[in-house]
Order: sequence, then C-alpha cells, then structure tokens
Amino acid sequence: AQSVTQLGSHVSVSEGALVLLRCNYSSSVPPYLFWYVQYPNQGLQLLLKYTSAATLVKGINGFEAEFKKSETSFHLTKPSAHMSDAAEYFCAVSQETSGSRLTFGEGTQLTVNP
Amino acid sequence: KAGVTQTPRYLIKTRGQQVTLSCSPISGHRSVSWYQQTPGQGLQFLFEYFSETQRNKGNFPGRFSGRQFSNSRSEMNVSTLELGDSALYLCASSADIAGGRETQYFGPGTRLLVL
Repeated sequence: AQSVTQLGSHVSVSEGALVLLRCNYSSSVPPYLFWYVQYPNQGLQLLLKYTSAATLVKGINGFEAEFKKSETSFHLTKPSAHMSDAAEYFCAVSQETSGSRLTFGEGTQLTVNP
Repeated sequence: KAGVTQTPRYLIKTRGQQVTLSCSPISGHRSVSWYQQTPGQGLQFLFEYFSETQRNKGNFPGRFSGRQFSNSRSEMNVSTLELGDSALYLCASSADIAGGRETQYFGPGTRLLVL
C-alpha cells in the first residue's frame, strides 16, 4: 500500500522566512501526490498536485513542491512566509489511478511568527 | 461554480443513536468520497461512491455506510454511535473523467460530537 510520512508535526517560521514542509512517500508505482491546506474549522484546500508531467509543481499562494524520485520526497516550499500561511498542511497520495482514495500524512502545523 | 456543500455543519448526538450526513458535490462531479478526521487517527478514507455504486471502501466497521443518489448527492450513515465516532467528517468530489487522474475537492465538513 502507498503511504506518506510528514517529518515534523509542528514547524515555526518567522514572517518573510523560507517555509519548508517535508513529505516522503512510499509507493511501488508512480505516485499521484498532493498537498492540501486546512485552516481552522474548515475543510481541505488543494495547494498543488504532482501528476508526473513536471517534477517542479507550482501551486496557489506562492507554494511549490519538487518531486524527487531518488529521495522519494515531495517537499513543500514557499520562499517567504506570510502570517496568513499559518494553518495545517497535509501531504497525500492517491491509492487509485483515478486519483481517489487518498492516504494522508499526519499533518504539519505551520506557525508564522511576526 | 458552487463548491462541495455538506449539511449539517455541526451535530450533537448521544451514544447508541444513529446519524445521517449529507454531501452535495460540485456540479458535474460523479465521484464522492468520505473521510473521517480525528486528532488521534488523522484523516482516514471511509468510502467512495461513483454512479450510485460503492467503488472503494476503507477499513471501518459496518456501522458506517453510505449511498449515492442519481444526482450524485451522497449520504453517509453511522449507526449505534460510539464516543470514538466524534470527528470531522469530510466529503470530497471529483469529476472522474475516464482515464484522468482527478483532483478531489473537499467540502467544509460536518463536525459530529457524540456524548
């Protein structure tokens, strides 16, 4: 079964600093990977997805992620953190070729300090 | 285009009762999936419906069931509620175009509290 592991349940950065949220996947087939963000008392919002078209994926709100097969990683980055980026971030892999049946990582709570 | 809607948003039940949650997918989307989110277990896949048929099922007891109607709206039911069923229940829909790897779009969730 495919799985993802997020390193670091809590990450704290200063406003304007680089954001790096780590995600490693386990998959025997080319994975279909996602990053979602969840703000308090809300559902999940898609940030970006990897579908093998390009290894560097750009998403919304200035986020991007790079797929590295050799490292089985799909880390999420943003050059400059903003206060509004404070939220919980989830890495996910799809179990199905249709993109459904997502398996999520444990989540990383991002805090942005002024 | 309107997003995924879920009703009700909040619900309080007592142990032993049953509950039904509703999800209306994005217009044109035919796949609806349900997830449970708890602090201890995180986000877990419950089941997926496509064209009124359950296509995938997660590792949950039979107390958890669902269905999908011809207009793609879906309901999930939990019978004989337990305290551990307290969670945020998220619904997601996708277009599921044949051969495509689709994105799941999530609703705001229904927060269920079992007392």
